Amino acid sequence: QVQLVQSGAEVRKPGASVTVSCKASGYSLTSNFMHWVRQAPGQGLEWVGQMNPRGDTRTYAQKFTMTRDTSTNTDYMEVRSLTSADTAVYFCARDTGNYAPDYWGQGTLVTVSS
Amino acid sequence: QTVVTQESSFSVSPGGTVTLTCGFNSGSVSTSSHPSWYQQTPGQPPRTLVYDTYIRASGVPDRFSGSVIGSKAALTITGAQADDESDYYCLLYLGRGTYAFGPGTKVTVL
Repeated sequence: QVQLVQSGAEVRKPGASVTVSCKASGYSLTSNFMHWVRQAPGQGLEWVGQMNPRGDTRTYAQKFTMTRDTSTNTDYMEVRSLTSADTAVYFCARDTGNYAPDYWGQGTLVTVSS
Repeated sequence: QTVVTQESSFSVSPGGTVTLTCGFNSGSVSTSSHPSWYQQTPGQPPRTLVYDTYIRASGVPDRFSGSVIGSKAALTITGAQADDESDYYCLLYLGRGTYAFGPGTKVTVL
């Protein structure tokens, strides 16, 4: 069965960067788009970006860098120049093939605090 | 800037029907926006309910249905149950590989 398992919670100081991982099982990352979504505490969902199945086209704001390791079937998202506004739970989510996520990771809490 | 709109809250009686909508601050939602809907309870990842306007995700009961009504996407819950009390988000495709969520609708069943 399809599973997305994300890395654990992180704490960083303002100005630092953080990388969140998303390990897929039950399917190959090269078969579907992968979305990244974040949710600040008590707030709504925010679409951050996506990577195409080949891993060579990414759509996202400049703040984020998405990469892939096909040998471990793992996607990564780096968030740079962290501020308190980046404190959020970050989710990876596989696309259905029809413009929407279906399977979701459990989420990774990133806390930015001095 | 394109902004996605949703009602902030809705209340529905057990067994009742409620229709949530999702639109643009400027312009119309169509099937080309590929609207999708998500249910989320506190501390949990979102659960995909409906995608590509009206396709129910695997395991989603048929009391959840998606459509386009006028210029907005819609999610209708028919025969509301207590455990439908959640936050509901829509997601719209904006083109060029980008998407945007609506601010969410809090549904209360009472």
